[in-house]
Amino acid sequence: GAGVSQSPSNKVTEKGKDVELRCDPISGHTALYWYRQSLGQGLEFLIYFQGNSAPDKSGLPSDRFSAERTGGSVSTLTIQRTQQEDSAVYLCASSLSRGGYLNTQYFGPGTRLTVL
Amino acid sequence: DQQVKQNSPSLSVQEGRISILNCDYTNSMFDYFLWYKKYPAEGPTFLISISSIKDKNEDGRFTVFLNKSAKHLSLHIVPSQPGDSAVYFCAASETRSNFGNEKLTFGTGTRLTIIP
Repeated sequence: GAGVSQSPSNKVTEKGKDVELRCDPISGHTALYWYRQSLGQGLEFLIYFQGNSAPDKSGLPSDRFSAERTGGSVSTLTIQRTQQEDSAVYLCASSLSRGGYLNTQYFGPGTRLTVL
Repeated sequence: DQQVKQNSPSLSVQEGRISILNCDYTNSMFDYFLWYKKYPAEGPTFLISISSIKDKNEDGRFTVFLNKSAKHLSLHIVPSQPGDSAVYFCAASETRSNFGNEKLTFGTGTRLTIIP
């Protein structure tokens, strides 16, 4: 079946502009995560969605970052007034949620964001 | 504060020999550990995992060892093959807390190069 897809694959923007990044999780996966990988760093957790529950936003670095998940499926990560330090690869992952088990997270190919 | 550390940014191994990738962690609440493999321009793919109740898990050519007292885990690949050349990320999770949020904390990765 189809894996996690993300769009766009690359985004170049000017400082101060807003950007939207999209994630289509694997069908049937109720859990969705956003991570980012800055140059030379490991992946950094940003936000977690589980079904219709309120998201865990504890990893968002500033209030310029927000995300939503419509209908429990597609998710959009929005960065307002982008800064150069926002340049990174933004990765989305999804997993089943079976309670009591660690559920393997499947990653999309990522969106490479470059803020000039 | 880097809770998961991979101190070797790169490793080169002759084809057919054993590759050993190391990872250290500081958070004693971590109870599940994973290795992900990443090729350029692709998202990380799950390789192997281990629960804190075990000290070894094996899957084909891949074996993960966990030393809880030392807060150290390692991934052994034997025999190493050219297709194993990739960046390997160690990740950890707290499954007993965070109310179902199985967010992963990643190391910075080790680039493994298998020399034919």
